[in-house]
Amino acid sequence: GAVVSQHPSWVICKSGTSVKIECRSLDFQATTMFWYRQFPKQSLMLMATSNEGSKATYEQGVEKDKFLINHASLTLSTLTVTSAHPEDSSFYICSAREGGTTDTQYFGPGTRLTVL
Amino acid sequence: SQKIEQNSEALNIQEGKTATLTCNYTNYSPAYLQWYRQDPGRGPVFLLLIRENEKEKRKERLKVTFDTTLKQSLFHITASQPADSATYLCAPSDSWGKLQFGAGTQVVVTP
Repeated sequence: GAVVSQHPSWVICKSGTSVKIECRSLDFQATTMFWYRQFPKQSLMLMATSNEGSKATYEQGVEKDKFLINHASLTLSTLTVTSAHPEDSSFYICSAREGGTTDTQYFGPGTRLTVL
Repeated sequence: SQKIEQNSEALNIQEGKTATLTCNYTNYSPAYLQWYRQDPGRGPVFLLLIRENEKEKRKERLKVTFDTTLKQSLFHITASQPADSATYLCAPSDSWGKLQFGAGTQVVVTP
């Protein structure tokens, strides 16, 4: 149980294009989903928190117009990196939490984004 | 500002021994704390969650302690195996579920 998937697992794109990453909770309904970014040899940094049906809450320093997050259903959240640049190249990881008395966050396998 | 510190140096340990990892936090009063395992190029895998009113939690060969006075959590892997080699992440959480991750400690178990 508690499986979270991400798609794609890796993507290479040209500078200036937009990339969409999907995060799905496969066997539970996620009231809250989180998006993280991880640079090589560094820890995970929270980018934003999204609750189903409402706007995402972004962490300080994360541009909400550049990283568009949509949490349209209890099993799907998407992150769109708009007008991507080489400095956006990173490992993007989502997590999902069932809510209620369950506090555990389950993570997806991550998406490696490379912007040329 | 809030700070989460884990041993930055890799922990090299012989198979069968117990690995002990430390997580210290400052300027923070987490409601609970989670430990994750991360393999290269993969997302973190949940291992254990311990709440602020719990002193110790066990799961198979894993044990975690939580001392809110010392602001410290210890993570133990007993009877370590080469398959336990990975980076282990400490992640305290506030009551809203927002995790803050430490940089992680790499564990290398040699046969």
